[in-house]
Amino acid sequence: QKEVEQNSGPLSVPEGAIASLNCTYSDRGSQSFFWYRQYSGKSPELIMSIYSNGDKEDGRFTAQLNKASQYVSLLIRDSQPSDSATYLCAVSEDSSYKLIFGSGTRLLVRP
Amino acid sequence: DAGITQSPRHKVTETGTPVTLRCHQTENHRYMYWYRQDPGHGLRLIHYSYGVKDTDKGEVSDGYSVSRSKTEDFLLTLESATSSQTSVYFCAISARQNNSPLHFGNGTRLTVT
Repeated sequence: QKEVEQNSGPLSVPEGAIASLNCTYSDRGSQSFFWYRQYSGKSPELIMSIYSNGDKEDGRFTAQLNKASQYVSLLIRDSQPSDSATYLCAVSEDSSYKLIFGSGTRLLVRP
Repeated sequence: DAGITQSPRHKVTETGTPVTLRCHQTENHRYMYWYRQDPGHGLRLIHYSYGVKDTDKGEVSDGYSVSRSKTEDFLLTLESATSSQTSVYFCAISARQNNSPLHFGNGTRLTVT
């Protein structure tokens, strides 16, 4: 069974701090990696995608991928209370068009 | 939400009744998916479609069937609803086969009493 693991949290950080969210995956053949944000009662919203080793930055968000160690991380700089949500890591199943999701990490940003 | 409409948004039904959820997209995307989301389990794939009349099972397909007669519509049917199928159901679409993210509809909250 291919798995994507995330710490359920909650991860609590003060406003303005860096929030670091981590995800590990079991399928060495995975090619595509995504981070989604989900507010309570809402649908998941894509915030970052990453396909190759290294860092990818988009505004306050940085995704980091290390295929050798099979982990993906998401850094949120200058965290805001509006960033409080559940963050879902999603990994492609061996270059297929199916995504496997982690159960999510709940982030709380304290004002 | 990327031109995806799910209906109904909320439904309460009784055990043993059939239920059909509808997903309609205006993006002309080839790939469509049904996920369910439950506390502690995250999003789990029920069924997916890679074209009109082309569907396949996901990891939690027992008790569910799907149909896709047109590019824009993907139906999920619970043949005989059970309380374990109480969940939030999300439809998702994607444009390409590889390296393509999913975009989600607003979800359907189904309660089976």
